[in-house]
Amino acid sequence: EVQLVESGGGLVQPGGSLRLSCAASGFTFSSYWMHWVCQAPGKGLVWVSRINGDGSSTGYADSVKGRFTISRDNAKNTLYLQMNSLRVEDTAVYYCAREINGGSSDWGQGTLVTVSS
Amino acid sequence: QSALTQPPSASGSPGQSVTISCTGTSSDVGGYNYVSWYQQHPGKAPKLMIYEVSKRPSGVPDRFSGSKSGNTASLTASGLQAEDEADYYCSSYAGSNNFVFGTGTKVTVL
Repeated sequence: EVQLVESGGGLVQPGGSLRLSCAASGFTFSSYWMHWVCQAPGKGLVWVSRINGDGSSTGYADSVKGRFTISRDNAKNTLYLQMNSLRVEDTAVYYCAREINGGSSDWGQGTLVTVSS
Repeated sequence: QSALTQPPSASGSPGQSVTISCTGTSSDVGGYNYVSWYQQHPGKAPKLMIYEVSKRPSGVPDRFSGSKSGNTASLTASGLQAEDEADYYCSSYAGSNNFVFGTGTKVTVL
């Protein structure tokens, strides 16, 4: 059974940093592109970032480019999102997801990031 | 990276059909056959319903179908059931390792 479990969310002040983790199991982690997607309270889904299987190729939404960094440790079956220079508008639930054929077939339960002073 | 445009709401009676549109540009929906659709119930993670425009993952009822014409993709749910009441989002590959989601549509089963 595929499982994705996010952690690392919490309350942080504007300008602060946070690192999210996503522990994967039930599939060959290194074979799949992985995504981060966020959803502000009461709002829609927003794509954040994507990384290929060996970590050599990444993509970012314009809103996070230069502030967030996606990475992975295939030995630990874990996906990361380093979030720097956080803004109030980054407040959201952050999901990790496994991509298959351009669609995110499996999602974690999400971790809440709150940016507030 | 502008969000794809979806109608805010759609509705239908049980047994009827509802179709949701998802309008983008030639740089996303119109340029690639990587359009997917997600169903999200309140407080839950999204669920993949359609990928590659019209393919259904195993376990998704064949009442759900997807299509695309030009820069607009569509999701149709036929034979509506109470459990289909949810938010639906489209997504498309947008080139250069980027993706974009739609604005979301709340489907109500009357």
